[in-house]
Amino acid sequence: SQTIHQWPATLVQPVGSPLSLECTVEGTSNPNLYWYRQAAGRGLQLLFYSVGIGQISSEVPQNLSASRPQDRQFILSSKKLLLSDSGFYLCAWRGALGNNSPLHFGNGTRLTVT
Amino acid sequence: GNSVTQMEGPVTLSEEAFLTINCTYTATGYPSLFWYVQYPGEGLQLLLKATKADDKGSNKGFEATYRKETTSFHLEKGSVQVSDSAVYFCALTSLGLVGGKLIFGQGTELSVKP
Repeated sequence: SQTIHQWPATLVQPVGSPLSLECTVEGTSNPNLYWYRQAAGRGLQLLFYSVGIGQISSEVPQNLSASRPQDRQFILSSKKLLLSDSGFYLCAWRGALGNNSPLHFGNGTRLTVT
Repeated sequence: GNSVTQMEGPVTLSEEAFLTINCTYTATGYPSLFWYVQYPGEGLQLLLKATKADDKGSNKGFEATYRKETTSFHLEKGSVQVSDSAVYFCALTSLGLVGGKLIFGQGTELSVKP
């Protein structure tokens, strides 16, 4: 069966420090991968998605970047964090051929920038 | 364009009360519709789905029917429990959405009191 792992679960970082959040998927090949952010107001904002290795699409301009160095690995990064980067970050996957199928989410990373 | 609108929360109910959370959508093409649930501090879990008009998704006593004529996908449960307290998200995806992304509503917080 397929599983998705995100780490760390929680993170407290000072303003201006770098960030690296990692997400890996097991049990499937060539998944579509997604990074969402959930701010305090509960809404979900799509940040990035990837349909293949090295292919990254950004949904909103921001202080973050994403990379997909391997088929089932998706990394969210920042060179210098801002206070506004605080939030709950969720990684998700879907099978490449399942365009009308649901996304499957990881347990999230709670990021607090101080 | 594609969008999802949910009823405002929070919704507070007594145990065993009937639940309805309204969800309406706009979409180009023929979307698939989903309800996700988020328990405190956790990621999103798929609760139920429907992929075509008049489909009824159901799971754990929750139901939702895909109504094309009213562009709605309301979530219902006949008798809620304290353990149902969570945030509920309505979402859609469509073949026309690049990258197969999900469009979410703002979420509705449900609090069930004993």
